[in-house]
Amino acid sequence: RKEVEQDPGPFNVPEGATVAFNCTYSNSASQSFFWYRQDCRKEPKLLMSVYSSGNEDGRFTAQLNRASQYISLLIRDSKLSDSATYLCVVNRSGYSTLTFGKGTMLLVSP
Amino acid sequence: GAVVSQHPSRVICKSGTSVKIECRSLDFQATTMFWYRQFPKQSLMLMATSNEGSKATYEQGVEKDKFLINHASLTLSTLTVTSAHPEDSSFYICSASRGIRSLSEQFFGPGTRLTVL
Repeated sequence: RKEVEQDPGPFNVPEGATVAFNCTYSNSASQSFFWYRQDCRKEPKLLMSVYSSGNEDGRFTAQLNRASQYISLLIRDSKLSDSATYLCVVNRSGYSTLTFGKGTMLLVSP
Repeated sequence: GAVVSQHPSRVICKSGTSVKIECRSLDFQATTMFWYRQFPKQSLMLMATSNEGSKATYEQGVEKDKFLINHASLTLSTLTVTSAHPEDSSFYICSASRGIRSLSEQFFGPGTRLTVL
């Protein structure tokens, strides 16, 4: 089983739609969780950290379910500029390394 | 902000040549730098972790003699792909971490696209 699994998509949604991505991780020792965004042929950029209590940043809401070992990202009122690949990333406690999922591609159309 | 640069951004070389990629933290001291590789439609795969002044720690399956990493200062790490072959063509990305307490926060460089003919 892969350490971090995501549905590769693509998710095709119209502008203004709400879309949700899930990600599962296999290592129960995982301690820190993140969503990164990666545009085509560019480096990944941190979108938001994911906290146990769930957190929101504007149109983006991230949630963590430790019992089921999954993380979610909800994007409300999608914009064309949200089109990108969203990477689920986990970090194990005591380790500096990050483990990346393959990413979920989102395409927002007019 | 924390800015990381990479040079070159793109390189095309012949098979058998060596290619050096530089990663610099421009406005902070990076105690730890990471090198990743990403093949098309694949996830970023960590190749190695390097701490300033010590030998890099390579991930399983990554040949340390082929991918030479030098982290000589707190702002510069280099990755040298020796005797590059077409299968080494990939997107190489470095990242840098500021300190032990924030090890999981990594700042990524813009990446280097390597094409080996």
